[in-house]
Amino acid sequence: GAGVSQSPRYKVAKRGQDVALRCDPISGHVSLFWYQQALGQGPEFLTYFQNEAQLDKSGLPSDRFFAERPEGSVSTLKIQRTQQEDSAVYLCASKGQMSSYEQYFGPGTRLTVT
Amino acid sequence: GIQVEQSPPDLILQEGANSTLRCNFSDSVNNLQWFHQNPWGQLINLFYIPSGTKQNGRLSATTVATERYSLLYISSSQTTDSGVYFCAVARTSGSRLTFGEGTQLTVNP
Repeated sequence: GAGVSQSPRYKVAKRGQDVALRCDPISGHVSLFWYQQALGQGPEFLTYFQNEAQLDKSGLPSDRFFAERPEGSVSTLKIQRTQQEDSAVYLCASKGQMSSYEQYFGPGTRLTVT
Repeated sequence: GIQVEQSPPDLILQEGANSTLRCNFSDSVNNLQWFHQNPWGQLINLFYIPSGTKQNGRLSATTVATERYSLLYISSSQTTDSGVYFCAVARTSGSRLTFGEGTQLTVNP
């Protein structure tokens, strides 16, 4: 079946613009995670949803970052008033039922803020 | 939070060589995954292995949970094995993954 998909794959934004990044998880996956990967580093956790409930948003770096998953499927990560330090790859992962532990990642969105 | 250390940070091999990558973690975990990040940035699942040993073709992995480390073995390496290998752990099934800094593997023909 289809894996996790993300769009756009690449996004260039001028500093101060708002951006929206989309994640389509594997069909039927209950849990959805967002991670941020800076160049040369491992991914770092941003936020976690179980169905439509955002259970953990402790990794969001500032109040300019907002995520939602209103129907428990597709999720959107929104960054307001982008700054240069927001330049990174944003990865989405999904996980199946509670008895399943393995997370599966999408291809990521590479955000460059100029 | 939980700490994850991977070694070595960089590894250069000739095609056909074998290698061992190590992941140390600072607390007990219920989820440990190994990933290969290819040159296009895609994280590919290699193993889910919170304990025990698994093998998949030329790759195998062992996790000794009581001693808080995991090893990834690559045998008869190929140029397509190049990329960054990440170890990631989580305390519970539903919680965030904490990643190490990765091992950058280069396999030369």
